[in-house]
Amino acid sequence: DAGVIQSPRHEVTEMGQEVTLRCKPISGHNSLFWYRQTMMRGLELLIYFNNNVPIDDSGMPEDRFSAKMPNASFSTLKIQPSEPRDSAVYFCASSPTWAPNGGGETQYFGPGTRLLVL
Amino acid sequence: GNSVTQMEGPVTLSEEAFLTINCTYTATGYPSLFWYVQYPGEGLQLLLKATKADDKGSNKGFEATYRKETTSFHLEKGSVQVSDSAVYFCALRYSQGGSEKLVFGKGTKLTVNP
Repeated sequence: DAGVIQSPRHEVTEMGQEVTLRCKPISGHNSLFWYRQTMMRGLELLIYFNNNVPIDDSGMPEDRFSAKMPNASFSTLKIQPSEPRDSAVYFCASSPTWAPNGGGETQYFGPGTRLLVL
Repeated sequence: GNSVTQMEGPVTLSEEAFLTINCTYTATGYPSLFWYVQYPGEGLQLLLKATKADDKGSNKGFEATYRKETTSFHLEKGSVQVSDSAVYFCALRYSQGGSEKLVFGKGTKLTVNP
């Protein structure tokens, strides 16, 4: 079975440019997550969706970040305009379900997109 | 709030040595606890989990026991291999305001030398 697919794997851009990261979750999974990983702050949840609906976006840094999930098999994370401090590895993850009393259900991570903003 | 603290690395061991990576947590209610592993250039993979007090999670020779009295979930392996070299993350799952959250520790890098 294919795991979570992310593209691109690497992105180098200049400050002020728009960046779009893409994710295809595991087929049949109803929950999708976007994380950011940096040396300073570790792994942080940005936003997650259940059944294509955003549930918690409290981790989105600011208005420059936006995420969409137009259907069950695709999501995007957009940064506009990008800044050097956005440089990080961005992970997408999916889960069969992510709801209260889900207890031990886990998340399945993609390989990440390494973003460098110059 | 809910958080996880794990020992800072890096940790360097020789093959067949005993491994312990400490993890303690702060949480309200009854969280589920996880260990994830991240190999170079890859995403995180679930290593093991425990959903209630005194549960022991195990996988690939790794073990961790959910200790409510000490709020700990330490990762152990009796004999490490070079292939265990990776970054290990302790994580906690909890509910807050209708949202389910998974919060991670900072990670501990393990290097195993032949």
